[in-house]
Amino acid sequence: QVQLVQSGAEVKKPGASVKVSCKASGYTFTGYYMHWVRQAPGQGLEWMGRINPNSGGTNYAQKFQGRVTMTRDTSISTAYMELSRLRSDDTAVYYCVREWGYYYFDSWGQGTLVTVSS
Amino acid sequence: EIVLTQSPGTLSLSPGERATLSCRASQSVSSSYLAWYQQKPGQAPRLLIYGASSRATGIPDRFSGSGSGTDFTLTISRLEPEDFAVYYCQHYGSSPPTWTFGQGTKVEIK
Repeated sequence: QVQLVQSGAEVKKPGASVKVSCKASGYTFTGYYMHWVRQAPGQGLEWMGRINPNSGGTNYAQKFQGRVTMTRDTSISTAYMELSRLRSDDTAVYYCVREWGYYYFDSWGQGTLVTVSS
Repeated sequence: EIVLTQSPGTLSLSPGERATLSCRASQSVSSSYLAWYQQKPGQAPRLLIYGASSRATGIPDRFSGSGSGTDFTLTISRLEPEDFAVYYCQHYGSSPPTWTFGQGTKVEIK
């Protein structure tokens, strides 16, 4: 079965960077786009961007352009999301999510809590 | 950019009742690009409905989706205890590709 296993919780200071990993199993990693979606405490879902694990090509939400970098390592079926110049309002649970059917999300990681605090 | 507005913010109902959730788009969208998700506390969201009206694998038939243009609806015919959760609609937009969520509707036990 499809599994997306994310790295553990992080605590960062404002201005720092964070890199979250997402290891995929149970399917062909290069066959499906991987997205990142975040959720601030008590808030809704926010799409950040996606990566094509086959080509490495990316699409980022305009809000995060210049601050987010999505990469992948196909040898270990792992996707990464790095967010720089962290602010307190970046405190959120970050999910990796598999794209399905071009438009939808069918499998989600367990989420990684990133806390930004001085 | 298309904005999705969900209503009501909170729906207070009893088990066995019918739930009707609304998702309104700021401009007309293709039904093919509209999905609904369920999220329970402490869990990741789960895909319920795609293409506005097709149930995802394993989703009970008490969940149904409908709508077109700017107005979409998720209906839960008879609420089970496990259905009390937050529901999000989601839309795919092209050029450039973007994914947008509504702000969510919480279905709580009355």
